[in-house]
Amino acid sequence: KAGVTQTPRYLIKTRGQQVTLSCSPISGHRSVSWYQQTPGQGLQFLFEYFSETQRNKGNFPGRFSGRQFSNSRSEMNVSTLELGDSALYLCASSSGQDGDTQYFGPGTRLTVL
Amino acid sequence: QKEVEQNSGPLSVPEGAIASLNCTYSDRGSQSFFWYRQYSGKSPELIMFIYSNGDKEDGRFTAQLNKASQYVSLLIRDSQPSDSATYLCAVAVSGYSTLTFGKGTMLLVSP
Repeated sequence: KAGVTQTPRYLIKTRGQQVTLSCSPISGHRSVSWYQQTPGQGLQFLFEYFSETQRNKGNFPGRFSGRQFSNSRSEMNVSTLELGDSALYLCASSSGQDGDTQYFGPGTRLTVL
Repeated sequence: QKEVEQNSGPLSVPEGAIASLNCTYSDRGSQSFFWYRQYSGKSPELIMFIYSNGDKEDGRFTAQLNKASQYVSLLIRDSQPSDSATYLCAVAVSGYSTLTFGKGTMLLVSP
């Protein structure tokens, strides 16, 4: 079974721009969760999508948004980029059942200049 | 506020020794517990999960869970230099599929 894929792997943007990241989950998985990882804050939950609906949301500003398509692929968008948005963005795939294991993709490294 | 606490380390052990990594959590509704390993510049990789009180063994790894004390640990036997990484503890609360992560413990295994 193919693993979780994320594109692009690296991005460099400037302040004020917007960015869209993509995640394709493991085949058969219906849940995609997004996390932001920074050295100071660790892994922080952004949101989770299940069957095209946002099911859970973390404490991030509205500049961070996402969506999920009928094939379970998910995109995350960050608008009006700030320097502090520089981070590793990880998506994780699971069946969506309570407490089920999440499998991470390789991540997208975003640098905001 | 759900919290997961880990000692940031680094925890230094010699090759062949047992490494003991600890994690405490605040939400008594927590039902699923995971250990991930993350090498520098890479994404987290699942090592083990545990749902019930007690020990669960998988090769050189043993996860231990004590729900009364809200404590979960990971033991790595016969530690190898390739085990040097950051170990992340993650917790899922009953009724939710999302994970709350600790900030990780860095493990250094010296040859």
